[in-house]
Amino acid sequence: NAGVMQNPRHLVRRRGQEARLRCSPMKGHSHVYWYRQLPEEGLKFMVYLQKENIIDESGMPKERFSAEFPKEGPSILRIQQVVRGDSAAYFCASSPSTYEQYFGPGTRLTVT
Amino acid sequence: DQQVKQNSPSLSVQEGRISILNCDYTNSMFDYFLWYKKYPAEGPTFLISISSIKDKNEDGRFTVFLNKSAKHLSLHIVPSQPGDSAVYFCAASAYSGANSKLTFGKGITLSVRP
Repeated sequence: NAGVMQNPRHLVRRRGQEARLRCSPMKGHSHVYWYRQLPEEGLKFMVYLQKENIIDESGMPKERFSAEFPKEGPSILRIQQVVRGDSAAYFCASSPSTYEQYFGPGTRLTVT
Repeated sequence: DQQVKQNSPSLSVQEGRISILNCDYTNSMFDYFLWYKKYPAEGPTFLISISSIKDKNEDGRFTVFLNKSAKHLSLHIVPSQPGDSAVYFCAASAYSGANSKLTFGKGITLSVRP
């Protein structure tokens, strides 16, 4: 059973460009979470999605950030017009309907 | 505000000895607690969890203790091994149902000396 897949693993964007981060949950998991980790910090919750629905987006910045989990395909975290402060590690986690969340390897976004 | 606190940023122990990692929380609504282990450039790996209705949960070398009145939990690793060297995150969940967001501490870097 493959784990949570994230791609790309590393992403470099210039200020003002768009970043798209992809997450494929574990087989059988229909719940996806996105977290962001800034340097020297713990992981911060961003958004929780089920297929075609956003359940909780209380941790998402109000502007430039959006997320989706379509009926087919991976979950996408989209950051428009990136700024240097968006540089971080972005982790996706999936869950089969229990408390435990299983994390992917992360996407390290660098904004130059 | 930091609802989950891991006040010691690092811990160094000798191989074979016990490692005790501490975590405090402030939100009395938290009802489920988890420990994750993280190596550099990898995602967090789930280690062990405990429900607020219990005060202890054990899995092999790992034991988690929960003191609800003190809002404190700890992870014990015994015996410690060099491969345990990593960053350990304490996390908490606030709702009685499943599938709620996790609130993480900042992590403790554990170094196990051979």
